Amino acid sequence: DQQVKQNSPSLSVQEGRISILNCDYTNSMFDYFLWYKKYPAEGPTFLISISSIKDKNEDGRFTVFLNKSAKHLSLHIVPSQPGDSAVYFCAASASGTYKYIFGTGTRLKVLA
Amino acid sequence: SQTIHQWPATLVQPVGSPLSLECTVEGTSNPNLYWYRQAAGRGLQLLFYSVGIGQISSEVPQNLSASRPQDRQFILSSKKLLLSDSGFYLCAWSDGQGGLYGYTFGSGTRLTVV
Repeated sequence: DQQVKQNSPSLSVQEGRISILNCDYTNSMFDYFLWYKKYPAEGPTFLISISSIKDKNEDGRFTVFLNKSAKHLSLHIVPSQPGDSAVYFCAASASGTYKYIFGTGTRLKVLA
Repeated sequence: SQTIHQWPATLVQPVGSPLSLECTVEGTSNPNLYWYRQAAGRGLQLLFYSVGIGQISSEVPQNLSASRPQDRQFILSSKKLLLSDSGFYLCAWSDGQGGLYGYTFGSGTRLTVV
């Protein structure tokens, strides 16, 4: 039972354009959501987060949007750069559970 | 500052052999510790987590076990490896319930069971 889903295994975007990565979840108890970026043979690194009391959080080129009614979040990267090419994981957590549930990841390729 | 160390970086082990992966955290006390596995097409699967010495929670039934003999040490073990244990193993820590800051991950161990 996959509680966090990333239905697009891969995405290719031209440099300078917007990248949109999507994530869906099923557990209405989730109230913290994170995005991680992962390069091959390395551990994931934290990118951006959002809590359920907000619907948008922005950090430089990265913006995360949360639609609680649809149980959907998305990560926007604009403008996309070749260095953004990596696997992106979304993760969700419910308060008090001590753990994050991760999606299966989306491989982003930014073409120069 | 806090750092997390995980070793070895790569490991090739025969089927039926034992396994021990070690993870240590520096610069913090009483961290929450986690073992995840990334297998092909499966994303990051939580295997074990620990909120204190000797406290281990298992998320999925499997051929692996975890132990926390010291506050900042987390060990992943197996008595007899299976081919299906191959994957990329990640240790992580957090200083609370995660919240908006999630975990900090180690650099990972690539395990190939042959």
